[in-house]
Amino acid sequence: DQQVKQNSPSLSVQEGRISILNCDYTNSMFDYFLWYKKYPAEGPTFLISISSIKDKNEDGRFTVFLNKSAKHLSLHIVPSQPGDSAVYFCAAIITDKLIFGTGTRLQVFP
Amino acid sequence: DTEVTQTPKHLVMGMTNKKSLKCEQHMGHRAMYWYKQKAKKPPELMFVYSYEKLSINESVPSRFSPECPNSSLLNLHLHALQPEDSALYLCASSQAPGGAAYNEQFFGPGTRLTVL
Repeated sequence: DQQVKQNSPSLSVQEGRISILNCDYTNSMFDYFLWYKKYPAEGPTFLISISSIKDKNEDGRFTVFLNKSAKHLSLHIVPSQPGDSAVYFCAAIITDKLIFGTGTRLQVFP
Repeated sequence: DTEVTQTPKHLVMGMTNKKSLKCEQHMGHRAMYWYKQKAKKPPELMFVYSYEKLSINESVPSRFSPECPNSSLLNLHLHALQPEDSALYLCASSQAPGGAAYNEQFFGPGTRLTVL
């Protein structure tokens, strides 16, 4: 049973435009959400997180939005850059466990 | 030093072999983790060590045996594995389990394991 889902396995965006990656979850007990970025042959790299008591967190080009009533979060990257091309995982924390979503492969083209 | 290192990078083993995966961090983190990642799937948590003690075992088969000899090292001992155990094994660490300090886990590059 996948508690954290990313329904778009891939996304293609032009350089300079906004990338929006979406994530849905089922467990209302999750208390932290995170986004990780993963390049091939490397481990995931932490990008940004948000507490369940907030609805927005911003860090440079990255903004995460949380809609608790819809059990939905999204990652906005603006402007998108070719170096952003990677697989993005959303993840949720509950009782010391980090549960990853299924991942979205983002490709930013010139 | 914000790096988690893992050795070896690649490992090929037979079903009767015994091998070990190693993970090391020098960030003073007191929580360390093992994950397994199959192709096109998300990482799945296997074990959590908190202050050198095993705190979470996600019902992992006993052919996987974790060990945390000290706060910087984490091993995963492998014995009598099956071909379906072939995967990328990721190690991670975080400042401490639980609370705000938990939320950033630093991952190593992984060990690509193939079981023949």
